[in-house]
Amino acid sequence: GQQLNQSPQSMFIQEGEDVSMNCTSSSIFNTWLWYKQDPGEGPVLLIALYKAGELTSNGRLTAQFGITRKDSFLNISASIPSDVGIYFCAGLRAGGTSYGKLTFGQGTILTVHP
Amino acid sequence: GAVVSQHPSWVICKSGTSVKIECRSLDFQATTMFWYRQFPKQSLMLMATSNEGSKATYEQGVEKDKFLINHASLTLSTLTVTSAHPEDSSFYICSARESGRGYSNQPQHFGDGTRLSIL
Repeated sequence: GQQLNQSPQSMFIQEGEDVSMNCTSSSIFNTWLWYKQDPGEGPVLLIALYKAGELTSNGRLTAQFGITRKDSFLNISASIPSDVGIYFCAGLRAGGTSYGKLTFGQGTILTVHP
Repeated sequence: GAVVSQHPSWVICKSGTSVKIECRSLDFQATTMFWYRQFPKQSLMLMATSNEGSKATYEQGVEKDKFLINHASLTLSTLTVTSAHPEDSSFYICSARESGRGYSNQPQHFGDGTRLSIL
């Protein structure tokens, strides 16, 4: 099925560094979500964005819903080892055949070196 | 809040057997639940949408007779992999969306997944 274009695919950073990842789409979404998945577990919701232009923070995480409603980014400040995992963006549409279904990005694999 | 429990977390069984996976919303009601399949280092692939009290809707390419879904209550959906074969081995994840809110604004909450290995 359709996927969002998420980048980068992977990142290797040092503890304490800031991280930025983003998702883009050729179509509009009404809701943008960011999830984190640890190995062998299900995705955990980090941030939900409901309005174009919205900027939301959750601790060291900040995410924005793009003005065009076709993109979103997630920033992690002052990374720590437990930030390691796979981060997925996901979008929700209000109508059409994908109504109510999540469209996922390919994921960003984050590795943090102590 | 918004806890989704999935059981079992890990299954190993012989080829030809059927396996049932349960997905429960513990502290909210879920009219709609979703079943995903995930291969290593890949994104989640939606298999089907489970609707309480009605038939599930399957994504293109997913065999409905192979993957039976039952959503008998507002807190429980089950996925049964019938006559499982090694190619069915994968990580299966369910999610649930709270009832009573606008669908376009409601995030899904995920279970911890079931690792299915068919020998």
